[in-house]
Amino acid sequence: GAGVSQSPSNKVTEKGKDVELRCDPISGHTALYWYRQSLGQGLEFLIYFQGNSAPDKSGLPSDRFSAERTGGSVSTLTIQRTQQEDSAVYLCASSRGVRTDTQYFGPGTRLTVL
Amino acid sequence: QKEVEQDPGPLSVPEGAIVSLNCTYSNSAFQYFMWYRQYSRKGPELLMYTYSSGNKEDGRFTAQVDKSSKYISLFIRDSQPSDSATYLCAMKGETSGSRLTFGEGTQLTVNP
Repeated sequence: GAGVSQSPSNKVTEKGKDVELRCDPISGHTALYWYRQSLGQGLEFLIYFQGNSAPDKSGLPSDRFSAERTGGSVSTLTIQRTQQEDSAVYLCASSRGVRTDTQYFGPGTRLTVL
Repeated sequence: QKEVEQDPGPLSVPEGAIVSLNCTYSNSAFQYFMWYRQYSRKGPELLMYTYSSGNKEDGRFTAQVDKSSKYISLFIRDSQPSDSATYLCAMKGETSGSRLTFGEGTQLTVNP
């Protein structure tokens, strides 16, 4: 079946602009996660959804970052007033449930802030 | 200090070599341990998943967890050029919900 998909695959924006990144999880997966991957930092957890609610958003680095999930499916990560340090690959993952279930990752969105 | 430490490499080996990749961690609450493989410009894919201490083997791959030393390893036997990728260790605890804590990743190149 189809895996996790993300769009766009690449995004170049100017400092100060807002960006929206989209994630389509595997059908039927109730849990959805956002991570950020920067050079030399590995993957950092940002936020996780169970259904449409976000029990853990403690990884969001500032109030410029927000995310929502609608219909228990698609999720959007929004970064307002982008800064150069926001440049990274943003990865989305989904799992059937939580705790022990395997997280399946999408290909990521490569964000470059000029 | 990072919760999970992983040597970023790069690591270069000849085809057929045995590769050893390692991570150390500081959080004794971690119970679930994973190894992901990530090819360039792709998302990570799960290779191995281990609960608590012990060994797990799958084909050419063996994962080991030593909770007493807070040390995990991934061994690749008879390495192939197609194994060239970045290998990420990841872990989580019972009370950390669903968030995974990752190492920085080790970049591996297997030369034909």
